[in-house]
Amino acid sequence: EAGVTQSPTHLIKTRGQQATLRCSPISGHTSVYWYQQALGLGLQFLLWYDEGEERNRGNFPPRFSGRQFPNYSSELNVNALELEDSALYLCASSLGAGGWSDTQYFGPGTRLTVL
Amino acid sequence: KQEVTQIPAALSVPEGENLVLNCSFTDSAIYNLQWFRQDPGKGLTSLLLIQSSQREQTSGRLNASLDKSSGRSTLYIAASQPGDSATYLCAVEEGAQKLVFGQGTRLTINP
Repeated sequence: EAGVTQSPTHLIKTRGQQATLRCSPISGHTSVYWYQQALGLGLQFLLWYDEGEERNRGNFPPRFSGRQFPNYSSELNVNALELEDSALYLCASSLGAGGWSDTQYFGPGTRLTVL
Repeated sequence: KQEVTQIPAALSVPEGENLVLNCSFTDSAIYNLQWFRQDPGKGLTSLLLIQSSQREQTSGRLNASLDKSSGRSTLYIAASQPGDSATYLCAVEEGAQKLVFGQGTRLTINP
């Protein structure tokens, strides 16, 4: 069974540009999560999507946004890139909470570098 | 605001030793606690998930315990191997599927 996949593996952008990161969940999973792992800050929760809807959001500015498509894949968009947005962005998927917590399975990540 | 702390930040031990990694959290109102492993530059692999109603979980050489009332969890690794070298992350779910992570313990097992 294929795991969570993310693309691209690496992304290099300049300040002010927009970045788009993509994630495909494990087959059968309806929930997708995004996390940012910046140097020195640890892993921080960004967004949770389930059944196409944004369910929860971490403490990030509105220029971090995303969406979930009917096939449950997801996109994370970061507008007006800043140097401090340089980080490893991890996507995870799960079966879908339905009120119960369940295990999140993580992808390999996209390394975003902002110059 | 939930805060998760992992001690020590780094640990280096010889192969074959048993070891314990510690995790503490400030708010005991959690749904579950997970231990993850992260290899350099890679994503996370879930090792163990302990529901808030459970006290411990075991998988092979790994055993994780949870004491919700004191806000503590430990990950016990038996008979450590060089392949266990990685960063170990502890995370608590505080509702709405939001995981709050510790900074991790970087473990090195020396052959």
